[in-house]
Amino acid sequence: AQRVTQPEKLLSVFKGAPVELKCNYSYSGSPELFWYVQYSRQRLQLLLRHISRESIKGFTADLNKGETSFHLKKPFAQEEDSAMYYCALTNFNKFYFGSGTKLNVKP
Amino acid sequence: DGGITQSPKYLFRKEGQNVTLSCEQNLNHDAMYWYRQDPGQGLRLIYYSQIVNDFQKGDIAEGYSVSREKKESFPLTVTSAQKNPTAFYLCASSNLAANTGELFFGEGSRLTVL
Repeated sequence: AQRVTQPEKLLSVFKGAPVELKCNYSYSGSPELFWYVQYSRQRLQLLLRHISRESIKGFTADLNKGETSFHLKKPFAQEEDSAMYYCALTNFNKFYFGSGTKLNVKP
Repeated sequence: DGGITQSPKYLFRKEGQNVTLSCEQNLNHDAMYWYRQDPGQGLRLIYYSQIVNDFQKGDIAEGYSVSREKKESFPLTVTSAQKNPTAFYLCASSNLAANTGELFFGEGSRLTVL
């Protein structure tokens, strides 16, 4: 069965510090993984997808099939990064989400 | 203005009553989804539809029903059989042909059972 786990409910860091939001998954095939973000008073929206190998707003995420992880990283956190982050996996057009991690970047 | 529109934003219901949440999209997307969001549990899939007149159960479909009579509309009915209906409900759509895997979300509907 597909499952996405985000072990941290809350992550607090100071501005300028590195940040890593953890995501682990269980999936029997080749997964397609995503990070979604919800800023305060905004809709949930796509941040990045692993297949694109892109950096969005300074964030990157590497798929590690050996460790079944897809951690989201940013070398220098900014206050505007404060938001709720969800890791997601898709299987035949069904999307499975983790429980989310709230990132709080302190000034 | 293109996107997904959910209504109402807030809804109160007495126990034993059915209630229908509306979801409309003008993005011409094939697939539509309903998720339930509870604190600490993330998003859980209730129902999804990839084509008009067809839909599939998600992980927590019991006590819910849907219809997909039009491409742009995917209403969700929360029935009296749903034991714990108080929650935040999110509707989403996806362009299957683009194959980007991106979901577009509505602003959500918060249902409270009194």
